[in-house]
Amino acid sequence: RKEVEQDPGPFNVPEGATVAFNCTYSNSASQSFFWYRQDCRKEPKLLMSVYSSGNEDGRFTAQLNRASQYISLLIRDSKLSDSATYLCVVALSGGSYIPTFGRGTSLIVHP
Amino acid sequence: GAVVSQHPSRVICKSGTSVKIECRSLDFQATTMFWYRQFPKQSLMLMATSNEGSKATYEQGVEKDKFLINHASLTLSTLTVTSAHPEDSSFYICSANPPGAGSYEQYFGPGTRLTVT
Repeated sequence: RKEVEQDPGPFNVPEGATVAFNCTYSNSASQSFFWYRQDCRKEPKLLMSVYSSGNEDGRFTAQLNRASQYISLLIRDSKLSDSATYLCVVALSGGSYIPTFGRGTSLIVHP
Repeated sequence: GAVVSQHPSRVICKSGTSVKIECRSLDFQATTMFWYRQFPKQSLMLMATSNEGSKATYEQGVEKDKFLINHASLTLSTLTVTSAHPEDSSFYICSANPPGAGSYEQYFGPGTRLTVT
C-alpha cells in the first residue's frame, strides 16, 4: 500500500460546482497534513494546512479524519482558475520531518 | 511568504555531461532542503534531504554518486546530475521550510526542467 494515496482523476466539473477530494495515508503516526496546488509545469504551492478541527479558507474547506486516516478538500463554487492538480502532503513531525506527497488529483473546471 | 529560487529554470544537455542545479532560500536560512524529481503525470518523488554542513540523506533507490548534493551554506544547496542520460530528463524541484516552531510548510523553488539529449 502506498503511503499517501489519491484518486488521480481527472475530476471534470462545471463552473459553480462543488467538488471534494480525499486522500488516505498509511502511517498512523503522521502529524502534519497539507494540501498543495500544482499548475501544469509549475512548482507546487501551499493551498492550506489541515488541522484536526478542520479549517476553512474562503471556498476551500479541509478536514482530517484520524480514525480513518484520510484528509479531504472541498471546493465550493468552482472557478475556471481552480483547474489544477491538488497534492496531498503528509508528514511525521519531530526531528525527522520528511513530507510524503500523493500523486495528485487533477481538477478541470469547464464553463 | 518565504521565497526559494532555483537556477537554471531549464537546461538541455548532451548525454554523458554533468548538470548543476542551484537552490537558494532568499529570505530565510534553511538548515535542511529537499530535492524532488517529478516525471510527467507523476507525483513528486523525494530524492534526498540536503543537510547544511553534513552529508545528504538519500532515499532508497537514488544513487548518491550520480546525484551529488552539496549544502555548503544556510541559503544554498546544489544538486549535480553526473553523467546525465536521457532517462534523467525530468522536472527537478527543491524545497525548504522556514525555521520556526511547528513550521512544516514547504516552500518550493520554481523547478528546473532538465532535458538530456
